[in-house]
Amino acid sequence: SQKIEQNSEALNIQEGKTATLTCNYTNYSPAYLQWYRQDPGRGPVFLLLIRENEKEKRKERLKVTFDTTLKQSLFHITASQPADSATYLCALDGNNAGNMLTFGGGTRLMVKP
Amino acid sequence: NAGVTQTPKFQVLKTGQSMTLQCAQDMNHNSMYWYRQDPGMGLRLIYYSASEGTTDKGEVPNGYNVSRLNKREFSLRLESAAPSQTSVYFCASRASAAGGGDEQYFGPGTRLTVT
Repeated sequence: SQKIEQNSEALNIQEGKTATLTCNYTNYSPAYLQWYRQDPGRGPVFLLLIRENEKEKRKERLKVTFDTTLKQSLFHITASQPADSATYLCALDGNNAGNMLTFGGGTRLMVKP
Repeated sequence: NAGVTQTPKFQVLKTGQSMTLQCAQDMNHNSMYWYRQDPGMGLRLIYYSASEGTTDKGEVPNGYNVSRLNKREFSLRLESAAPSQTSVYFCASRASAAGGGDEQYFGPGTRLTVT
C-alpha cells in the first residue's frame, strides 16, 4: 500500500532562517502533491499544489519542489517568522479511483524569535 | 460563504451510545470526506463521497456509517461508540468529482471523547 512519510520530530529554527520540510512517499505515483498548514485546534488549510510535471512552485515566501524520481517533495519557507509556527502536512493526490488525498503525519515547525 | 461547517464542536459519549456528526458545505462541491486525526497518526480517511449519491470506504471505516444526504450534506454516524473512537473528526470537501488537482477545504473539526 502507499506510504507517505514526514519527519515526525519538530523542526526548530531561528526567525529569519529558511525552514525546509521533507515529504517522502513509496508505492504510489501521484499526479499532484499538496501542502497544508494546520494550527492547533483547527482544520488544515491549503497552501500549495504542484503537478508531477512541475519541478518547482512558488508562492510568496513558500517554495515547493517535487522530484518524482526520488519520490520526494521539499517545502521551503524563506525568511521565516514566528507566525509560521504550525504543523505542515503533505498529501498525495490524483491517479486514484476515489478522488482521495493521502496525508502524511505532518511536521511541526517552531520558529523562535 | 461559510465554507465547511461541522456540528457539534465537542461531544462526550459513553461506550455504546450512538451519535451523528453533521457536515455541510456551501461551495457546490462534488466530493466530500470524513477524516479522523489522532496524535502521531495524521489524518486518516474514514469514508468519502466522490459525488452525490455515492459513498465509499476509506482507510478506517469500521464502526462508522455515512450518508450523503444531498450535494451539500455528508453525515457520519457512530452506531455504538467505543473508546477507540475518541478522536478529532474533520469533514472536508473539494470541487472535483474525479482526477484530483484541486484543494480540499476542511471544517473546524469535532472533538469526540468516548468514556
